[in-house]
Amino acid sequence: DAGVTQSPTHLIKTRGQQVTLRCSPKSGHDTVSWYQQALGQGPQFIFQYYEEEERQRGNFPDRFSGHQFPNYSSELNVNALLLGDSALYLCASSFGVGYTFGSGTRLTVV
Amino acid sequence: TQLLEQSPQFLSIQEGENLTVYCNSSSVFSSLQWYRQEPGEGPVLLVTVVTGGEVKKLKRLTFQFGDARKDSSLHITAAQPGDTGLYLCAGEIFGNEKLTFGTGTRLTIIP
Repeated sequence: DAGVTQSPTHLIKTRGQQVTLRCSPKSGHDTVSWYQQALGQGPQFIFQYYEEEERQRGNFPDRFSGHQFPNYSSELNVNALLLGDSALYLCASSFGVGYTFGSGTRLTVV
Repeated sequence: TQLLEQSPQFLSIQEGENLTVYCNSSSVFSSLQWYRQEPGEGPVLLVTVVTGGEVKKLKRLTFQFGDARKDSSLHITAAQPGDTGLYLCAGEIFGNEKLTFGTGTRLTIIP
């Protein structure tokens, strides 16, 4: 049974560019959450999607947006990239209690 | 403001020693989870505690949820090099379905 799948695994972008990260949830999970993890820190909540709607949002600017598709997969979009957006972006899926995390996408902004 | 504070931030001990990691908050949580994360990977769930005062054991790991549901601890007995990693506590607040992570404890076990 495949867990949470994220793509790409690594990405290098230039300041000002836009990026789209993708997440396929674990089979049977209907909720997807996105987190940003800076080096050496705990993950910070970006937002959560359920039934194709943004249900919760953390303290991130509007440059961060997302989408959930009918098959529960999700995308995270970041516009006008800043150097400070360099981080590991984690996707977590859930159904009720308990979260399963993907291995993340390492984004480097240069 | 960090909702969940973990201590210590870094811990390096010899194989065979015991250790305790703490997770503290001023907020009350409906549930609290502990994760271990290795470099280049996502966090892996170790345990979920939901009842104040609850104690759960997972082989050499013992997890405790505070009576007031504001704090938790992770105790490892006879640490092994395979225990090395970043340990993260994370909680959910009643009526708020998002996971808030702690600051993390980076544990290194020296053979």
